[in-house]
Amino acid sequence: GQQVMQIPQYQHVQEGEDFTTYCNSSTTLSNIQWYKQRPGGHPVFLIQLVKSGEVKKQKRLTFQFGEAKKNSSLHITATQTTDVGTYFCAGLNFNKFYFGSGTKLNVKP
Amino acid sequence: NAGVTQTPKFQVLKTGQSMTLQCAQDMNHNSMYWYRQDPGMGLRLIYYSASEGTTDKGEVPNGYNVSRLNKREFSLRLESAAPSQTSVYFCASSEMVRAESGANVLTFGAGSRLTVL
Repeated sequence: GQQVMQIPQYQHVQEGEDFTTYCNSSTTLSNIQWYKQRPGGHPVFLIQLVKSGEVKKQKRLTFQFGEAKKNSSLHITATQTTDVGTYFCAGLNFNKFYFGSGTKLNVKP
Repeated sequence: NAGVTQTPKFQVLKTGQSMTLQCAQDMNHNSMYWYRQDPGMGLRLIYYSASEGTTDKGEVPNGYNVSRLNKREFSLRLESAAPSQTSVYFCASSEMVRAESGANVLTFGAGSRLTVL
């Protein structure tokens, strides 16, 4: 069945260091979305990527969609304590969103 | 705008009991979803409703039933709760599901934490 794998499961960084999380799908995706969930909260939409090879930036966050539309990454430059939370990718395939297992980011001040 | 409202926020059940999780959205969205979140497992789709009057199974539908009561409301029922159904349940909605549309962004409710003893 459809699977979206996400690594790493956890990442602990010092404030100011960079952070990257990766998603890989077993099948080609129509698009991929990224969500952030703060501790105790609910997932909140960050961005959507649709086109093969697409790159989008939101301030310190850079999102990429692979050429084959099977993988994606989220890179945060110079992390801040406000970046703490779990980051999920979600791939759309046949009207269903399949979520990765998430990467939990902890930032030490 | 309240967005997506889920009730209850917390519930403790005994094995074999039944209950219904309620979800309502006020954004006039067409599609609604139920996910469960377990540690290390991410969000897994239980059921979804692409539009009013339709429902379809997701990745983990066993032990659950759903009702799309109207465009606003989508309920999730556990007929005979089991400890394996202990989880955090999230309801979500989107305007529609179409690959290249910004209308398929998911808006989540605050979650319902269910414990089955």
